[in-house]
Amino acid sequence: EIVLTQSPGTLSLSPGERATLSCRASQSVSSSYLAWYQQRPGQAPRLLIYGASSRATGIPDRFSGSGSGTDFTLTISRLEPEDFAVYYCQQYGSSPITFGPGTTVDIK
Amino acid sequence: QVQLQESGPGLVKPSETLSLTCTVSGYSISSGYYWGWIRQPPGKGLEWIGSFYHSGITYYSPSLKSRVTISGDTSKNQFSLKLSYVTAADTAVYYCAREVPGTTFDYWGQGTLVTVSS
Repeated sequence: EIVLTQSPGTLSLSPGERATLSCRASQSVSSSYLAWYQQRPGQAPRLLIYGASSRATGIPDRFSGSGSGTDFTLTISRLEPEDFAVYYCQQYGSSPITFGPGTTVDIK
Repeated sequence: QVQLQESGPGLVKPSETLSLTCTVSGYSISSGYYWGWIRQPPGKGLEWIGSFYHSGITYYSPSLKSRVTISGDTSKNQFSLKLSYVTAADTAVYYCAREVPGTTFDYWGQGTLVTVSS
């Protein structure tokens, strides 16, 4: 199974700043089958990015994804108050589907 | 609009079977897509449990496969999770979700906390 590692564990930033989150896979993720989710406190996860770089329906363009192989990045260009949350990556290029441990973006 | 809602007991005794149902509205579970279960222990990350297709196809996480059964009832537009021989390690918020086959989860239920305790 592919193990995903996310860094940093916690990112402390101010509204308006840029956030860069990393997801690294234990082996290459085929066809860039990598997704990102946002989870706000007390809520279910929400799909942000699929296919490493495609935004899901209704996701603002301040969210962008990039990467291939084993290294992927989620970038939030300018943090809005509602963006402070936990972010998970998920790979679906190899069974079983696996998730990373998450990165918390909190207010500095 | 697609909506999913989990239901079932919030407390299960050790060694017993956890049973949850997901009721789907706004989309027929027999119209395509897979339907999955994901769990999240308190304060921890997400773990995929398994997924179901209305034709009866199922696939499960290898780590849980021996204890998991997922099935569906198209007449009620519901699908269910059964997890046997539970322990405290199975305490988690359980989510049901719509799965784009073999890929991502685009619609989620609100989640239900199941605690395993005597």
